[in-house]
Amino acid sequence: GQQLNQSPQSMFIQEGEDVSMNCTSSSIFNTWLWYKQDPGEGPVLLIALYKAGELTSNGRLTAQFGITRKDSFLNISASIPSDVGIYFCAGLSTSGTYKYIFGTGTRLKVLA
Amino acid sequence: EAGVVQSPRYKIIEKKQPVAFWCNPISGHNTLYWYLQNLGQGPELLIRYENEEAVDDSQLPKDRFSAERLKGVDSTLKIQPAELGDSAVYLCASSLRGWETQYFGPGTRLLVL
Repeated sequence: GQQLNQSPQSMFIQEGEDVSMNCTSSSIFNTWLWYKQDPGEGPVLLIALYKAGELTSNGRLTAQFGITRKDSFLNISASIPSDVGIYFCAGLSTSGTYKYIFGTGTRLKVLA
Repeated sequence: EAGVVQSPRYKIIEKKQPVAFWCNPISGHNTLYWYLQNLGQGPELLIRYENEEAVDDSQLPKDRFSAERLKGVDSTLKIQPAELGDSAVYLCASSLRGWETQYFGPGTRLLVL
């Protein structure tokens, strides 16, 4: 099935560093969601974005809805070991029927 | 508020056997989703329900997969017969309405031997 492109695919960072990842699509979306998935668990919602250009924060996390509506960005400031996991973006497609399309995921590993 | 509940959390079966997964969405959520997540991939939609009606099942392999959402609350996803390639995580999610934010359950991890 269709999946959005997420970059980077994986990354190792030192504790305390800032992290940036992005998600791109060839289609326009009206909503962007960012999830974190820990091993053996389902994805947990981090941030929801509903408007082009919107910048939203949740603690150390900040996400932006791209102006073109074809991309979104997630930043994590001052990373800590519990930030380890897989981060997924999801865009809401309203073409024909409502449907969330998920990204391929960014695997984050934090070195203490 | 209770989240999305799924059971079982893990299931190991032999190929050609049937298997069923159960999902209880967040109370009041009209929309329920079943997703398939292969190792190293993001979730992919299998079927979406609006109340008891399946409004998007285009990605559901209907020769072996079936789903139901009686009374518009709980849902069951069934595979019969299971194949080796069905080994994956089956995630259930729910939202108030189709365009609203969706929340996931913990998933059922299926291993077909």
